[in-house]
Amino acid sequence: SQTIHQWPATLVQPVGSPLSLECTVEGTSNPNLYWYRQAAGRGLQLLFYSVGIGQISSEVPQNLSASRPQDRQFILSSKKLLLSDSGFYLCAWSQKTQYFGPGTRLLVL
Amino acid sequence: EDKVVQSPLSLVVHEGDTVTLNCSYEVTNFRSLLWYKQEKKAPTFLFMLTSSGIEKKSGRLSSILDKKELFSILNITATQTGDSAVYLCAVGVNTGTASKLTFGTGTRLQVTL
Repeated sequence: SQTIHQWPATLVQPVGSPLSLECTVEGTSNPNLYWYRQAAGRGLQLLFYSVGIGQISSEVPQNLSASRPQDRQFILSSKKLLLSDSGFYLCAWSQKTQYFGPGTRLLVL
Repeated sequence: EDKVVQSPLSLVVHEGDTVTLNCSYEVTNFRSLLWYKQEKKAPTFLFMLTSSGIEKKSGRLSSILDKKELFSILNITATQTGDSAVYLCAVGVNTGTASKLTFGTGTRLQVTL
């Protein structure tokens, strides 16, 4: 069966520091991969999606970037975090339906 | 711009009640409508609907889609405290290569004893 992992689970970072969140999927090949952010009291917002290695589509202009160095690995990065980057970051994979990882709760202070 | 609207925003019911959650949408290139349950962490998948008028059912939960009127409902019968969660509706659209989801802001359901 397929499983999706995200780490870390929780992160507290100062403003201006870099960020790297990792997502890996097991039990499937060539999945579509997605990064979402959920701000407090708001819905999920799609940030990036990828249909294959090295292929990244960005949905909203922002302070973040994504990369897919391997088929089942998706990374979310920032060079300098802003306060507004705080939120709950979710990675998802899909073939027909999207399934979510456990999420990373990021607090930027 | 694609839009998904859920109502009510929040709901408090007594255990044993039946609830109906609503989701309406305006999107281009509709592919599917999905319902998720979110407790404290990541959303868990409940249903995916693609055809009008066909009810999907899982235990006490059921859902139906009306593609003509652009809405879906999620019903929960005989509610239990474990049903307390935020219920998210999402609409999948075709991009040619991937299906992107647009989410509503959710309905927060609280089931009390």
